[in-house]
Amino acid sequence: EALLVESGGGLVQPGGSLRLSCAASGFTFSSNWMAWVRQAPGKGLEWVANINHDGSEEYYVDSLKGRFTISRDNAKNTLYLQMNGLRAEDTAVYHCARGFATDLWGQGTQVTVSS
Amino acid sequence: DIVMTQSPDSLAVSLGERATINCKSSQSLLSNNKNYLGWFQRKPGQPPKPLIYWASSRNSGVPDRFSGSGSGTDFTLTISSLQAEDVAVYYCQQYYSTPITFGQGTRLEIK
Repeated sequence: EALLVESGGGLVQPGGSLRLSCAASGFTFSSNWMAWVRQAPGKGLEWVANINHDGSEEYYVDSLKGRFTISRDNAKNTLYLQMNGLRAEDTAVYHCARGFATDLWGQGTQVTVSS
Repeated sequence: DIVMTQSPDSLAVSLGERATINCKSSQSLLSNNKNYLGWFQRKPGQPPKPLIYWASSRNSGVPDRFSGSGSGTDFTLTISSLQAEDVAVYYCQQYYSTPITFGQGTRLEIK
């Protein structure tokens, strides 16, 4: 069964950093584009970033460029999201998802930015 | 950026009746005879569940009461006979180009 499991979320102060991880299993991770999508409280779904199968291409929503970095380790079947300079408005549940069409989602990890 | 606009924002339908949710994109999602449009169902405490891809193809395990239609800029998700377990928020998503964008969501309730 294909599965994505996120980890690394938590409570962080404004200006702080977090690195989220997403462990993939049950499919050929190294052949797939991967994505991060978030949902803030009371808001809709917001795509954050995509990365291609070998990590040579990355795309970000404009508002997050320069603060967030997506990366992957195909040897470990793991996707990452490095988040720096966190702000209150980054508070959300962060999901990893497979592909541009996001046909497989993880349960998500909660990130709360607050002092 | 491609803007996705859903209508209505909320919808109340009686059990067994048809529910229809519309999604309009600010530019065509059609390329190589495929519409780069998906539909998702979101229930509280659960991740989004992919229902439909390529605008009209149902994902494995999705009941056949769910169907997607449309092309270009106008799309529809139809639930032919509403069941209690279909109460959720539904989102359309374009994956034609980055940034990938979602509609604002349509809340579906039982009347």
